[in-house]
Amino acid sequence: AQRVTQPEKLLSVFKGAPVELKCNYSYSGSPELFWYVQYSRQRLQLLLRHISRESIKGFTADLNKGETSFHLKKPFAQEEDSAMYYCALLTGGGNKLTFGTGTQLKVEL
Amino acid sequence: DGGITQSPKYLFRKEGQNVTLSCEQNLNHDAMYWYRQDPGQGLRLIYYSQIVNDFQKGDIAEGYSVSREKKESFPLTVTSAQKNPTAFYLCASSTRTRQETQYFGPGTRLLVL
Repeated sequence: AQRVTQPEKLLSVFKGAPVELKCNYSYSGSPELFWYVQYSRQRLQLLLRHISRESIKGFTADLNKGETSFHLKKPFAQEEDSAMYYCALLTGGGNKLTFGTGTQLKVEL
Repeated sequence: DGGITQSPKYLFRKEGQNVTLSCEQNLNHDAMYWYRQDPGQGLRLIYYSQIVNDFQKGDIAEGYSVSREKKESFPLTVTSAQKNPTAFYLCASSTRTRQETQYFGPGTRLLVL
């Protein structure tokens, strides 16, 4: 069965420090992974997808099939990065997303 | 901002009562979804629909029902069979070709009196 694991409920870093939000997955098919973000008082929204290999707001994520991971990284955290981050796996033949439990990122001054 | 709307923002349910949460979208999306968000458990899929008059159970469908009579609308009914309904409910929509890019509503918080 498919599963997405985010081991950290809360990650607290200082402004300017590197950030790594961990995500591991379990899936028998070819994985397609995504990061969604929810800022305070805003709606949940797509941040980035592994297939496009893009950097959004300074964040990148590389799919590592050997380690079944899709960690989200940013070299220098900013205060506005504070939010809830969800890792998601496309499943059901591409018809639905399976979300992880989320990691609350807090960037302190 | 429009796109996808949910109402009401807060809903109170009495024991044994069925309640219906509204979800409407004007994005012309074929696919719509209902999630339940609980602290520490992330988002769990309740039901989803890829086309009008068709829907599938998600991971936690027991105690819930849906209908999809119109493309724009995907109401969720929380029945009395749902023993722990207190949660934050999120509706989302997407195109059928890009179902990983889901647009979410603002959510409805359901509380049991």
